[in-house]
Amino acid sequence: QVQLVESGGGVVQPGRSLRLSCAASGFTFGSYGMHWVRQAPGKGLEWVAVMWYDGTHEHYADSVKGRFTISRVNSKNTLYLQMNSLRVEDTAVYYCAREHNYLSDYWGQGTLVTVSP
Amino acid sequence: SYVLTQPPSVSVAPGQTARITCGGNNIGSKSVFWYQQRPGQAPVLVIYDDSDRPSGIPERLSGSNSGNTATLTISRVEAGDEADYYCQVWDSSTDQGVFGGGTKLTVL
Repeated sequence: QVQLVESGGGVVQPGRSLRLSCAASGFTFGSYGMHWVRQAPGKGLEWVAVMWYDGTHEHYADSVKGRFTISRVNSKNTLYLQMNSLRVEDTAVYYCAREHNYLSDYWGQGTLVTVSP
Repeated sequence: SYVLTQPPSVSVAPGQTARITCGGNNIGSKSVFWYQQRPGQAPVLVIYDDSDRPSGIPERLSGSNSGNTATLTISRVEAGDEADYYCQVWDSSTDQGVFGGGTKLTVL
């Protein structure tokens, strides 16, 4: 069965960096695009970034463009999100999700990132 | 940027039908996905490509999409359907995913 497990969340000060990981299993990771989606406490879902299956193309939400970088290592079945210049408003649960027809079918359980002075 | 509009809340009695709308400019030309999110849990895909159900999703849940409105319909509502529901589309003009603000379904 498809399994996505996020890790790397924690508490970080504004302006610092953090890297999230998403370990995938139960499917051929290298054949699927992968998304990051976040949810601030008590708020709705916000799409963050996508990288297509072969890593050739990536796209970002305007709110994170230039600060966040999505990447993947297909040989390790792992997706990453490098988050730089973090802001208080980046505080959220970050989910990785498998791509299906440009959107998402399977989701991980999420990892919490708290940006606080 | 593309905007999706959902009602913040919908309330329905058990056994009745709930309809959750998702409005967007010419959304009928896009493929709409719907996700269910129960408190403290990750989202779960319940409808994809406007009206298709993933395996394991009951037939009581259905979707439609035309013109400027997509609709998630939940028939014979049960207490277990109480959750937040989000619509999503891919905006090909900006190459970005777009979520609606979410609708909280309350079963009375």
